[in-house]
Formats: sequence, C-alpha cells, structure tokens
Amino acid sequence: DIQMTQSPSSLSASVGDRVTITCRASQTISSSLNWYQQKPGKAPKVLIHVASSLQSGVPSRFSGSGSGTDFTLTISSLQPEDFATYYCQQSYSTPPTFGQGTKVEIK
Amino acid sequence: EVQLLESGGGLVQPGGSLRLSCAASGFTLNSYAMSWVRQAPGAGLEWVSIINTGGSTTRYADAVKGRFTISGDNSKNTLFLEMNSLRAEDTAVYYCARSASGWYRYDYWGQGTLVTVSS
Repeated sequence: DIQMTQSPSSLSASVGDRVTITCRASQTISSSLNWYQQKPGKAPKVLIHVASSLQSGVPSRFSGSGSGTDFTLTISSLQPEDFATYYCQQSYSTPPTFGQGTKVEIK
Repeated sequence: EVQLLESGGGLVQPGGSLRLSCAASGFTLNSYAMSWVRQAPGAGLEWVSIINTGGSTTRYADAVKGRFTISGDNSKNTLFLEMNSLRAEDTAVYYCARSASGWYRYDYWGQGTLVTVSS
C-alpha cells in the first residue's frame, strides 16, 4: 500500500495568515493526489483534485501543487471558516490511502 | 442536486452483522463508481470498499475482505454495505462517496452513519 504522510499534524494560525500543508507519498503517484477539508461532525469536502485543480465552488485562496511524491496545499489568506482538518489522498492505486490529517487551529 | 443519505448504523455485538444503506438522489447510481470510507472515533479516513460503474467489479480493504460485501440496487438507486463478523475495530462512522472520475477521486459524500461494535 502507498503510505501518505502529512506535515505538520497540527498548526495554529491567525486569520489572514498564509498556511502550507505538505503531503509525501511513499512512492510516485504522478498527479493522482486530492485534498479534502473536514469540519467536526461533517463529511469530508473535496478542495483540490489531480494535485492542482480547484474543485468547482471552492474559494481561490486554496491551491495545490506538486507531482511524483511531494505535494502542497496552500491557503493564501486563512479565513475563519477554514479552521478544520485537512487530508491528502492518493487515487493512484488500490487501496486509495489518506494522510493522517492536519488540524488547523485558531492561534 | 446530488445527495447521499446513509442509514443502518447502530450498536452491534462483536461477531454480529449490519447492513448499511446509502440512498442516492440527483444522479443515477449505476453511472458512477461508489465507495464506502470509514472513520474511527478521533481517527483519520480509511477506505473500505468500491463498486465500479455498472456494478461488475468490487474491491475491498484487506481489513474487511471476506467479511464485508458492497452492492447496489439500481431500482432503488441505493448502495449497500453488508457487514458480517463485526469486530470492535470496525467501530466508525461509515461514509458513502461518489467517484467523480477514475475510481478514487470523490466529489460527493454522505453525512455518515455510526457503527459501534461493543458487548
């Protein structure tokens, strides 16, 4: 199975901050990387697919980059509604696997 | 509007069985690959199973292989997960999710149903 490792596991940030979350795959996954946001008690919501494509309806302050094994999710200016847990997920091979999550908290 | 509504969760004893349902609306279930993904309390996301477009192919996580069965009823536009020989480690919120393209890129998720395996 492909292991997905996110860093950091948690971070504290203020409204307006630029936030970067990284995700590393244990083997190359091309651009088959998706990012999800999950708020407490809610289902995950897709933000970015195929590494850098913004899902329809998602604010443009979210962006993704990377290919191969190293990927990044960036929030250019953190908003109050962005405090949540973020997961990367590889869709390259079976089984699809998720990172352990990055919890973004209010500073 | 695309909606997925899970049901069927609850408290079950170890070794017991449950059948989860995921009622789809706003699209034809048979036209998309569909997955079950679970999340244990306080933990991350874990893929459980997938059924392909048309329902001819299924895949399972090693942790559930031989115990869980995914299926779909096109007449009811509903996805199912039959869970047998349940273990404490199967305790989780179970989500159904629709694949946007390919097998594992999810664009819509249900709100989840909680399965608790405990004596």
